Amino acid sequence: DAGVIQSPRHEVTEMGQEVTLRCKPISGHNSLFWYRQTMMRGLELLIYFNNNVPIDDSGMPEDRFSAKMPNASFSTLKIQPSEPRDSAVYFCASRRDGTEAFFGQGTRLTVV
Amino acid sequence: AQTVTQSQPEMSVQEAETVTLSCTYDTSESNYYLFWYKQPPSRQMILVIRQEAYKQQNATENRFSVNFQKAAKSFSLKISDSQLGDTAMYFCASTQGGSEKLVFGKGTKLTVNP
Repeated sequence: DAGVIQSPRHEVTEMGQEVTLRCKPISGHNSLFWYRQTMMRGLELLIYFNNNVPIDDSGMPEDRFSAKMPNASFSTLKIQPSEPRDSAVYFCASRRDGTEAFFGQGTRLTVV
Repeated sequence: AQTVTQSQPEMSVQEAETVTLSCTYDTSESNYYLFWYKQPPSRQMILVIRQEAYKQQNATENRFSVNFQKAAKSFSLKISDSQLGDTAMYFCASTQGGSEKLVFGKGTKLTVNP
């Protein structure tokens, strides 16, 4: 398996634009997580899905953030409109019950 | 709320020496998993070691071992014979029984000096 695949690796966008981050989890994994990493806040859990269903989105900072998982092999995290304070590294991770989480390479988002 | 606390923002150690990173967690469940991850400058998250809460024996992976104190909700990581390649951010994480939610501490930046 190729591991968790995230795209793009880097994204630079202007304030106010829509940003979509993509994630393909490892086949057979039933949980998917979106994290945001910054120097100030560390690794924050934004939302996680179990069997494609959003279970806990309490970490989503604002209504500008939304996430979907239309099937077991794909998830998106969307920010609309984006703001400079959204600049961070966004990680997607997946796991099977009882195992560790496997992380993608992350997307470095810069909003100017 | 499920929380994970790493009280040491930064640590340093001399090559070949031993260092211990601290982690405490808060959970009301009896069954859960604990993990230590390493994040080198490449930013890739790499699993170092895992511990199932129902197992009393401390997990060990080569130079890495944990001291799991369930009653105290403590899960420290010991790195023996530190190597320059161990320089990285180290994150402690826990799940909660009955839930697959995986929460991380804020991390400890470890520097191994030659």
